[in-house]
Amino acid sequence: SQTIHQWPATLVQPVGSPLSLECTVEGTSNPNLYWYRQAAGRGLQLLFYSVGIGQISSEVPQNLSASRPQDRQFILSSKKLLLSDSGFYLCAWSVSLVGNEQFFGPGTRLTVL
Amino acid sequence: DAKTTQPPSMDCAEGRAANLPCNHSTISGNEYVYWYRQIHSQGPQYIIHGLKNNETNEMASLIITEDRKSSTLILPHATLRDTAVYYCIVRGLNDMRFGAGTRLTVKP
Repeated sequence: SQTIHQWPATLVQPVGSPLSLECTVEGTSNPNLYWYRQAAGRGLQLLFYSVGIGQISSEVPQNLSASRPQDRQFILSSKKLLLSDSGFYLCAWSVSLVGNEQFFGPGTRLTVL
Repeated sequence: DAKTTQPPSMDCAEGRAANLPCNHSTISGNEYVYWYRQIHSQGPQYIIHGLKNNETNEMASLIITEDRKSSTLILPHATLRDTAVYYCIVRGLNDMRFGAGTRLTVKP
């Protein structure tokens, strides 16, 4: 069966510090991978998605970047965190076809102070 | 921007059916309707999806109107554990846009 992992589960970082959140998927090949952010009391916002190694599409311009160095690894990064980067970050995967559901990881709660 | 409209909150009595409406009047022919729910501080959980036919699984039923401009998620016998935010999403290729959802509170 497929599983999706995210770490760390929680993170507290000072403004201006770098960020690296990791997501890995097991049990499937060539998944579509997604990064979402959820601000407090808000719905999910799609940040990035990837259909393959090295292929990244950005949905909104921002302080963050994403990379996919391996087929089942998706990394969310920032060189300098802002206060507004605080939120709940979720990674998800789906089979590379329309009509398939996305499966979400447990999420990382990031607090920027 | 989300392509769906949902009421912000609903209450339901335990053991009764919960009917959650969703409007998606701009849906296009190749877009699916998905429902997810999110319990506080957890990742969203997939519930059900459909294109134009009604669908049923072990969790819920999805009723889509003939013109596909709206749908209803039905939880046939709501339990306290069904208290969550429910998201109705219209999905095209590689596109999953979540709105604010409906906060369902199941009361004893």
